[in-house]
Amino acid sequence: DVKVTQSSRYLVKRTGEKVFLECVQDMDHENMFWYRQDPGLGLRLIYFSYDVKMKEKGDIPEGYSVSREKKERFSLILESASTNQTSMYLCASKLAGAADTQYFGPGTRLTVL
Amino acid sequence: AQSVTQLGSHVSVSEGALVLLRCNYSSSVPPYLFWYVQYPNQGLQLLLKYTTGATLVKGINGFEAEFKKSETSFHLTKPSAHMSDAAEYFCAVTKGSGYSTLTFGKGTMLLVSP
Repeated sequence: DVKVTQSSRYLVKRTGEKVFLECVQDMDHENMFWYRQDPGLGLRLIYFSYDVKMKEKGDIPEGYSVSREKKERFSLILESASTNQTSMYLCASKLAGAADTQYFGPGTRLTVL
Repeated sequence: AQSVTQLGSHVSVSEGALVLLRCNYSSSVPPYLFWYVQYPNQGLQLLLKYTTGATLVKGINGFEAEFKKSETSFHLTKPSAHMSDAAEYFCAVTKGSGYSTLTFGKGTMLLVSP
């Protein structure tokens, strides 16, 4: 079975802190994704990576950066957390084909105070 | 550009009744279409997908969906709802070539009453 794990299920941070969210997949997937999920807005793509050290902006990249130094790991970084970044963050991974399924981690619920 | 519209943020059914969750998409190229389900406090899980071939697609837990190109629709159905089907359902579309990112609808919460 494909497994996508995220470093924390729940996280509470203060405004202005630097926050790291980690995602690891164990299926040698080329592509990895970070989404945020908010009630009534569905999932919105923040960044994705189609290969190691490669990254592309999604629909809402402002305030975020990413890092992919190894194939299995994709990190989301909030350089200076703000209250409007309080959300559920979901990581996903897939093989490179267009028809391939995205597999999701359990999510990290981040609260910024 | 692609987009997905899910009609109804909440749908309520009785146990044993037909489930119908609506999804319409727009895409400038032949799409690939997906339905995902999210149970409380969990990530998303694939229910089914349409890529090519047969337009009626069967998925897990008794769900199926039909791709109708003329109507740009991909509605999700299940003949008989079960209490365990209560969850949020997301329709998503991707273009069938290049870097394949998904565009998601806003989700439909399915409520099942006894």
